Amino acid sequence: DAKTTQPNSMESNEEEPVHLPCNHSTISGTDYIHWYRQLPSQGPEYVIHGLTSNVNNRMASLAIAEDRKSSTLILHRATLRDAAVYYCILANTGNQFYFGTGTSLTVIP
Amino acid sequence: NAGVTQTPKFRILKIGQSMTLQCTQDMNHNYMYWYRQDPGMGLKLIYYSVGAGITDKGEVPNGYNVSRSTTEDFPLRLELAAPSQTSVYFCASIKGLNYGYTFGSGTRLTVV
Repeated sequence: DAKTTQPNSMESNEEEPVHLPCNHSTISGTDYIHWYRQLPSQGPEYVIHGLTSNVNNRMASLAIAEDRKSSTLILHRATLRDAAVYYCILANTGNQFYFGTGTSLTVIP
Repeated sequence: NAGVTQTPKFRILKIGQSMTLQCTQDMNHNYMYWYRQDPGMGLKLIYYSVGAGITDKGEVPNGYNVSRSTTEDFPLRLELAAPSQTSVYFCASIKGLNYGYTFGSGTRLTVV
């Protein structure tokens, strides 16, 4: 199974950008990189995904390293509502998605 | 669009009892998944399905069974409930690898 490694926790000040890193050194050429977040007592919520190129949407940006062995989720201006656990996962061609323990983001007012 | 609907939201089972967690999606997604999440932990894949009539095991399938007779429904069966199965169960569906998951709101199960 394709594994990812993320820091257990990170802090950010409100209104500042946040860069959440993820290492996936065993990624294969056809694995998509997905990011999800989970607010307390809720199911995970899709944030963004990509294959090789950087991606932007209304929630965040995804920066993918040239060798694809790491990626970074960028929240451009953190708000209190962004406090959540963020998961980076690889979607492999076996159709199996494995979640790690994620990064718990604390946003400081 | 209802998305992914899970029932029940909460359930308390006694050891040895059986139950079925229901999951229905109305997005015509071929891929469906069952995860469990223990307190303070990430999600663990139990079973998944790539289409009607096709299911396969994930990381932690022991003690569970699934079926996929239609595209819409993917029920998870617990035959002999054990305290170790106390967890929050999430069902999810996806159109394909180049699309995001849609998760249900979860079923909180306690086995006593």
